[in-house]
Amino acid sequence: ETGVTQSPTHLIKTRGQQVTLRCSSQSGHNTVSWYQQALGQGPQFIFQYYREEENGRGNFPPRFSGLQFPNYSSELNVNALELDDSALYLCASSLGQGFTSPLHFGNGTRLTVT
Amino acid sequence: TQLLEQSPQFLSIQEGENLTVYCNSSSVFSSLQWYRQEPGEGPVLLVTVVTGGEVKKLKRLTFQFGDARKDSSLHITAAQPGDTGLYLCAGAPGANNLFFGTGTRLTVIP
Repeated sequence: ETGVTQSPTHLIKTRGQQVTLRCSSQSGHNTVSWYQQALGQGPQFIFQYYREEENGRGNFPPRFSGLQFPNYSSELNVNALELDDSALYLCASSLGQGFTSPLHFGNGTRLTVT
Repeated sequence: TQLLEQSPQFLSIQEGENLTVYCNSSSVFSSLQWYRQEPGEGPVLLVTVVTGGEVKKLKRLTFQFGDARKDSSLHITAAQPGDTGLYLCAGAPGANNLFFGTGTRLTVIP
């Protein structure tokens, strides 16, 4: 069983740039949820994708967007980066829409915006 | 607005001691989960509780869901250095969101 993998592990970007983060879900899972975890805080829900459709969104601006592919892998795109976007971005896969089944997290992508 | 408040925020104890971590909210949750996160890794699910008053045990860890499904506690007996980590509670008010708490950072000193 392959776990959730995220790439890259670390990334440094400049304010105003755009970034794409990638996530491969655990085999057999069809749902991907993205979270932002600022230093010293709990993860904040960004959005969830179920079978290639957005299935719920947290309180994040439209410059945070995503995609899910037919193989259930996913991308998180952030445009016009701001300093406050510096955080650990976590991807979690699960089976079925919503949050009724356990989330399996990857180890995250550490994004630094300078 | 932080839906889930955890206390204490930081906890440092000696190996062998007992401890309790609390997760409180004014909202009702259909289920509540506890995770542990170690540095450089993602959170790992420990337990899910769904029934008010439910108690679940996982070796030395005891989890309780409040009767009104608004709060939860995690009790660790005879803490070990391997218990060190960030403990996060997460509540699902419905089907389409999962809110994480502020976290409790536990350090167990050998």
